[in-house]
Amino acid sequence: GENVEQHPSTLSVQEGDSAVIKCTYSDSASNYFPWYKQELGKGPQLIIDIRSNVGEKKDQRIAVTLNKTAKHFSLHITETQPEDSAVYFCAASYGKLTFGQGTILTVHP
Amino acid sequence: GAVVSQHPSWVICKSGTSVKIECRSLDFQATTMFWYRQFPKQSLMLMATSNEGSKATYEQGVEKDKFLINHASLTLSTLTVTSAHPEDSSFYICSARTGASTDTQYFGPGTRLTVL
Repeated sequence: GENVEQHPSTLSVQEGDSAVIKCTYSDSASNYFPWYKQELGKGPQLIIDIRSNVGEKKDQRIAVTLNKTAKHFSLHITETQPEDSAVYFCAASYGKLTFGQGTILTVHP
Repeated sequence: GAVVSQHPSWVICKSGTSVKIECRSLDFQATTMFWYRQFPKQSLMLMATSNEGSKATYEQGVEKDKFLINHASLTLSTLTVTSAHPEDSSFYICSARTGASTDTQYFGPGTRLTVL
């Protein structure tokens, strides 16, 4: 089955800095890669996703890149704000989602 | 759009009792819903995939007789934890797909189950 590795497990940045979270996946059949933000006690919220036929996607301060050959994808958040503090999960999918272990992002004012 | 609700948001029950959790897609029809389990400070683990009008497909290691799933309509799926025990205490989250040909899943707010 699919295996998704996510790094780092924790990330601390100053407000205004950029944050990068990286994931690798094992199953070359996976073709859909979403990123979720989860706040304490809440369900995951989809923030951006990318499909295997696209190398990069951007939505305001958030961007995702995908390298199919290397089987890795990354989340980039620019101009971070304290409200970006949360747990971020990557996932890979070929019909069903397999999640990474999560990254606790803390943005210090 | 694409809002998923869960009820209840939290529940406390005694060991040996059964608990039902509802998952609803509020503004779309969901042919497929998913149930996940999340332990504290851990990732989401898929328990089962629920298709409207058919039996759920359970992931390896998930007891289908313990976690009963019913997807009776295009907007409602239920998860019943039967004969709950303290080790079943967890955060249960459902998600729904907006269409058969799409991968995008939208998640509910989760249900915190505590079994005493």
